[in-house]
Amino acid sequence: EDKVVQSPLSLVVHEGDTVTLNCSYEVTNFRSLLWYKQEKKAPTFLFMLTSSGIEKKSGRLSSILDKKELFSILNITATQTGDSAVYLCAPLSGTYKYIFGTGTRLKVLA
Amino acid sequence: NAGVTQTPKFQVLKTGQSMTLQCAQDMNHEYMSWYRQDPGMGLRLIHYSVGAGITDQGEVPNGYNVSRSTTEDFPLRLLSAAPSQTSVYFCASRRGPGTDTQYFGPGTRLTVL
Repeated sequence: EDKVVQSPLSLVVHEGDTVTLNCSYEVTNFRSLLWYKQEKKAPTFLFMLTSSGIEKKSGRLSSILDKKELFSILNITATQTGDSAVYLCAPLSGTYKYIFGTGTRLKVLA
Repeated sequence: NAGVTQTPKFQVLKTGQSMTLQCAQDMNHEYMSWYRQDPGMGLRLIHYSVGAGITDQGEVPNGYNVSRSTTEDFPLRLLSAAPSQTSVYFCASRRGPGTDTQYFGPGTRLTVL
């Protein structure tokens, strides 16, 4: 059975801190892994990862995939209150099926 | 481009009523999907479509029907609403088999009394 586990479940930090969010997965026919940020509405796309060891970076956010150990991490440096959200990871199993984790809820205090 | 749009934003139904959630995209994406999101659970796939006239079941299809008569539209029909279908529903689309990035609509919050 396909499975995705995100940790921690929730996290409270202060502005300026660095956080690391974890996503471990077991899916059949793994193809890629997506990270999303969800504030109060729809998930918004952050990164898509297909290859091990190649860091994707966007501003203060970065992510990397390890296909051998079946995990991905999302790093956020110099956190801001606007980073407060639920972060979702979703490996793609085969061509059609994304398996979503329950997410990590991040709260950044001013 | 408007991206992925959904209507209505909110809906309240009584048990046994039927209704259709609308989803449209203007990006000429081949693939479209419907998800539901419940507290403490990840997004779960209800139905998906890989092109006009082609649909298939996802993880939680019972109680829902879909059809895809055009590339742009992918409505989700609740046949006889039940309280267990109270959820937030998201429609999503992606270009096709060569691209994995999936984009979400704004969601519909449905309450079944």
